[in-house]
Order: sequence, then C-alpha cells, then structure tokens
Amino acid sequence: NAGVMQNPRHLVRRRGQEARLRCSPMKGHSHVYWYRQLPEEGLKFMVYLQKENIIDESGMPKERFSAEFPKEGPSILRIQQVVRGDSAAYFCASSRESGETIYFGEGSWLTVV
Amino acid sequence: GQQLNQSPQSMFIQEGEDVSMNCTSSSIFNTWLWYKQDPGEGPVLLIALYKAGELTSNGRLTAQFGITRKDSFLNISASIPSDVGIYFCAGQLAGANSKLTFGKGITLSVRP
Repeated sequence: NAGVMQNPRHLVRRRGQEARLRCSPMKGHSHVYWYRQLPEEGLKFMVYLQKENIIDESGMPKERFSAEFPKEGPSILRIQQVVRGDSAAYFCASSRESGETIYFGEGSWLTVV
Repeated sequence: GQQLNQSPQSMFIQEGEDVSMNCTSSSIFNTWLWYKQDPGEGPVLLIALYKAGELTSNGRLTAQFGITRKDSFLNISASIPSDVGIYFCAGQLAGANSKLTFGKGITLSVRP
C-alpha cells in the first residue's frame, strides 16, 4: 500500500542548471498537486494536474517552471535555470477524485548552490 | 488572496499537558484540515472537517470546524514527546480544484 512517492528526496543543483522532480501518486489516484514550502513557511499551491492535463497552474511562476503528468509514468516538476531562491521543499500530493482527501508525499528538498 | 492565520509561531508545553491551537481566516472555507509535519518529512493528515460546527476526534486529538466557517481549532490532550512537530491548518473551497490554502504552522515542543 505505497503512498505518494517522490524522488529524488534531496537534490543539489548549481545556479543555471535544471532540476527535475518526480512524483508517483498513490495507486488509484489520478489527480496530482505540487506544493512548495520555503523555510519556516506553510505550503503554497503551485499546480494541479490530471493525466495529460493541467487543470490549475495559478500558483506556478510564469517562467522557468513547468509540470506534466503524462499518460504513462510519474508527474514531473521541471525547473529550468535554477536560482538560489528556488531552494525549497517541493511536495507532491494526490487524490482519487477532485475534492477527495489529499495525501502528501515525503517531499523533494532542492538546494541551489 | 486567502490567508490562514496561526499563532503563536511556537508553543512549549510540559509532557502530559493539553494544548489548543487556533486557525482563523478572513474567508470562508468548506473544508478544514489539520496536518502534522515532522522535520524532513511531508505533512500527514490528522483530522478533516467537512461541516460547520463539526467536532471530530482522532485518539488524543480533537478538532472543530467553526460555525462561521472562518476558523477551526485543534486540541491535543495528554501530550507526549512524539507530539513534537509543526502543526498546519489548511482550508479548502468547494469546486476550487481541490487546492489547499495552508497556514504558516505552529511548532510544538513538549518537555519531558
């Protein structure tokens, strides 16, 4: 009964590199959400996806950030040309249907040096 | 935008004591949730509340959904050392693509 799986758990990137964070939702869940948590802050919504569709990306920065949830495989959050301010914990969550209970993964900690 | 307010930022209690945490909002939410986060881990759902006035328990935890739908409280009774962590409240609107609005969290320390 695996929960939401995220990898890598920790990622270090130099400024200007790309970061790719992966998320496999819980079995039977087709709705995926990405949240970002800065130090000593609450989680902030970034994007909500269903298979092959972006439903709500109102929390995504306009540049350098993108997300996908392909028909096969995990959801990917991609950050291009990372900057120090991108250092944060990125959490993926999933639910079976919209409006149902959302379960979080253990997070991916990105450090930009 | 919507904001959830949790204060104080930190709380320190003695093992065995009860503690209560509040969460308030300027906006109405249809669902209130309480999560606990341990260092280096993701948030774990403690209690979900779906109706105004609802009082729900989960072991030593009790939470209530305020009548105005703008607040909620979480009570932990007979605290133990493993209650240490960050407690977040989150609100969810119906039909808002399920996205959650989180408070900044309260860090709870329990002295043995």
